Amino acid sequence: QAVVTQEPSLTVSPGGTVTLTCGSSIGAVTSGHYPYWIQQKPGQAPRTLIYDINIRPSWTPARFSGSLLGGKAALTLSGAQPEDEADYYCFVLYSGGRPVFGGGTKLTVL
Amino acid sequence: EMQLVESGGGLVKPGGSLRLSCAASGFTFANAWVRWVRQAPGKGLEWVGLIKSNVDGATTDYAAPVKDRFTISRDDSKNTLFLQMNNLKTEDTAVYYCATLFRSDPWGQGTLVIVSS
Repeated sequence: QAVVTQEPSLTVSPGGTVTLTCGSSIGAVTSGHYPYWIQQKPGQAPRTLIYDINIRPSWTPARFSGSLLGGKAALTLSGAQPEDEADYYCFVLYSGGRPVFGGGTKLTVL
Repeated sequence: EMQLVESGGGLVKPGGSLRLSCAASGFTFANAWVRWVRQAPGKGLEWVGLIKSNVDGATTDYAAPVKDRFTISRDDSKNTLFLQMNNLKTEDTAVYYCATLFRSDPWGQGTLVIVSS
């Protein structure tokens, strides 16, 4: 069973840029894992932010972008806004459609 | 508009059972692989299990902590997903979400299950 790792917490200044990463204990995260990024604000249900590495749904601001970086999936926020303060989870899909979630990153905009 | 609405959560004693439902609308439910994901209070997201579409055999798969205690089923005639939870433990306390985890499909709002004596 793979373990997916994320930074537990990160802080970014308003208007700044930050990159969150999502790595796997059993090897590189690749396009075949269809990495997803989910945003969850306090008291709210999770919402898909990015899927299939870098595809943004209509509701995701363009300041969020996804990529593969050094064997990990990465979520970059450029021009952070106060409303971007949230928990961010990644997950990757393994065989049989099993998702494995990362532990989440608590992003503070300060 | 695609929507998933969970129900059936509540307070149950350890060793007890509970059945959650997830009502789907706005998409072709019968074609969807659907998953249950849970989130314990103050913790991260954890995959519980999935059921494939009937075309793909309606096969189920479960995470190790719930295997042999939880059962996922579906009624495509009613666009509804179920999660039967037996022999509940305190560590099963969580908000339970149903989700397809497919592209930008939305998640449900979740239903809270509390296992406590």
